[in-house]
Amino acid sequence: GAVVSQHPSWVICKSGTSVKIECRSLDFQATTMFWYRQFPKQSLMLMATSNEGSKATYEQGVEKDKFLINHASLTLSTLTVTSAHPEDSSFYICSAVSPGRNSPLHFGNGTRLTVT
Amino acid sequence: RKEVEQDPGPFNVPEGATVAFNCTYSNSASQSFFWYRQDCRKEPKLLMSVYSSGNEDGRFTAQLNRASQYISLLIRDSKLSDSATYLCVVRGSSGDKLTFGTGTRLAVRP
Repeated sequence: GAVVSQHPSWVICKSGTSVKIECRSLDFQATTMFWYRQFPKQSLMLMATSNEGSKATYEQGVEKDKFLINHASLTLSTLTVTSAHPEDSSFYICSAVSPGRNSPLHFGNGTRLTVT
Repeated sequence: RKEVEQDPGPFNVPEGATVAFNCTYSNSASQSFFWYRQDCRKEPKLLMSVYSSGNEDGRFTAQLNRASQYISLLIRDSKLSDSATYLCVVRGSSGDKLTFGTGTRLAVRP
């Protein structure tokens, strides 16, 4: 079945640094990928929709200059958390829809970010 | 009104019990529906798609009621390993955007 790989699985960084998270679709081409964030005991929140070859679409309240998204190829999208702060500590998950009508969403294994 | 609403639970049931979750959605033009399962500190995993005629996969049965705009998930003969959060997911009329419910937490006790 369709597989989405996300890297790294966890990262600890100091406040003020930037962190890049990669999301790859391994066996299908994904023109659209999604980035979610989940705080403890809360639901998944869509941050942005990443479109191959064009600018990402951000959800209301998500700072595009802080969360940089690049979707340079049909199999890779990256999310860079710039100038990270402790409040950015969260579980970040990417996902992609495999081709085909009514196809479900396939998730990466998530990245647990801790900013100290 | 939220686009997708679920009872957050928790549902605390004994092993062997039958438990049902409902999920309502606001957009009558929604195209497709899914149930995902999320374990603590893990990514969501697809449990099953929900088809118009209803569908069953082992102990799990999913139903869709378009007229009342809700979907349901029935779990029979609950196992300890069924303990997780169950997410209702709806694909909008535009095609790609999927909206998640907040999830229903299930705890199955011995």
